[in-house]
Amino acid sequence: AQTVTQSQPEMSVQEAETVTLSCTYDTSESDYYLFWYKQPPSRQMILVIRQEAYKQQNATENRFSVNFQKAAKSFSLKISDSQLGDAAMYFCAFYFGNEKLTFGTGTRLTIIP
Amino acid sequence: DVKVTQSSRYLVKRTGEKVFLECVQDMDHENMFWYRQDPGLGLRLIYFSYDVKMKEKGDIPEGYSVSREKKERFSLILESASTNQTSMYLCASSFFGGSGNTIYFGEGSWLTVV
Repeated sequence: AQTVTQSQPEMSVQEAETVTLSCTYDTSESDYYLFWYKQPPSRQMILVIRQEAYKQQNATENRFSVNFQKAAKSFSLKISDSQLGDAAMYFCAFYFGNEKLTFGTGTRLTIIP
Repeated sequence: DVKVTQSSRYLVKRTGEKVFLECVQDMDHENMFWYRQDPGLGLRLIYFSYDVKMKEKGDIPEGYSVSREKKERFSLILESASTNQTSMYLCASSFFGGSGNTIYFGEGSWLTVV
């Protein structure tokens, strides 16, 4: 079975600074997908960024980028120029084609004005 | 605009009551999911369905059942609610055979069992 581990229950960052959220996973699969989801206080899950395991290039979406280390099974999220609207729970998730997403336990990100 | 709608946002039920949580999607998705979200535990899959009348157990199915009589509707049933089922429940849907980036979530149902 796949597992996803987020070792940072809470993180905080000054507005306009950069923060990195960590995620590791365990799988015997070689072809899979990794995701970061954002859950603001409204509780609506929002897809932030997606990475295909077969791609070596790290995914980027505006201020959000990932550091994907396949051999180390590590998938961290970097948020640059942090904004107040980035405050949320962030979940790392894994998918390998069995139609199901497996989530980590989440990291609560606080932005300090 | 795509939509996954959970009929009840906030419910308070008594121990032993039968509870129905309803979820409807308007995207003609084959897959539908029920997750439970608890602090420090993240989202855990209770059940999912990849077709009408089909269901598969997720990671924590004990104490729950599901029903999918129509493609657009997926119900989570607590036959006899208990206090340890107090939680937030998230419904989601996706196309069968997608790559995981087309999973859409509802806004959640907060259930309190007293």
